[in-house]
Amino acid sequence: DTGVSQDPRHKITKRGQNVTFRCDPISEHNRLYWYRQTLGQGPEFLTYFQNEAQLEKSRLLSDRFSAERPKGSFSTLEIQRTEQGDSAMYLCASSRGTGEGYTFGSGTRLTVV
Amino acid sequence: DQQVKQNSPSLSVQEGRISILNCDYTNSMFDYFLWYKKYPAEGPTFLISISSIKDKNEDGRFTVFLNKSAKHLSLHIVPSQPGDSAVYFCAAALTQGGSEKLVFGKGTKLTVNP
Repeated sequence: DTGVSQDPRHKITKRGQNVTFRCDPISEHNRLYWYRQTLGQGPEFLTYFQNEAQLEKSRLLSDRFSAERPKGSFSTLEIQRTEQGDSAMYLCASSRGTGEGYTFGSGTRLTVV
Repeated sequence: DQQVKQNSPSLSVQEGRISILNCDYTNSMFDYFLWYKKYPAEGPTFLISISSIKDKNEDGRFTVFLNKSAKHLSLHIVPSQPGDSAVYFCAAALTQGGSEKLVFGKGTKLTVNP
């Protein structure tokens, strides 16, 4: 069990550019989540996958955001035409759905300049 | 509409004493509750959870109490240690259609002084 891995750890991008983040969940976890955390706030739910199916999306996830989990293993989160308001920590988590919460990765900190 | 509230942004205690972190919620449909601990530049780490049908769960130095009538839960850390210094997030879980969506509070920064 190597935990949840996220790449990159930090990303600085210019406004208007596209960025993509990757998450590798714990291998036996079939559920994968993306959350976003801004300064002074708790993490906020963005989207949820069970295997390769995206089953729920928050209204926070505008049409500039897209997430995929093509083979039910790793997941990517893409933000198109980034805005300064997208600057945040993007957290990935995975679980087995046992009612014990889930395991978070260390996050990708995005800074849009 | 903030469904999970942690009204104390910070708490400072002496090493060896008890730390009590509080959390209030508004949605009676939450299935269980969790506490996460977060160090800077790291993701949240699961600490302890409690089902909505229980009123207490204990794990070593950590105990979580749930008062459903008051929609209130608290985390007790006894004895507090300097390594406990971190931001603590209260979270509530909604399990619908297989999803376990967590709703987080804004966190309480705990400082344990040696």
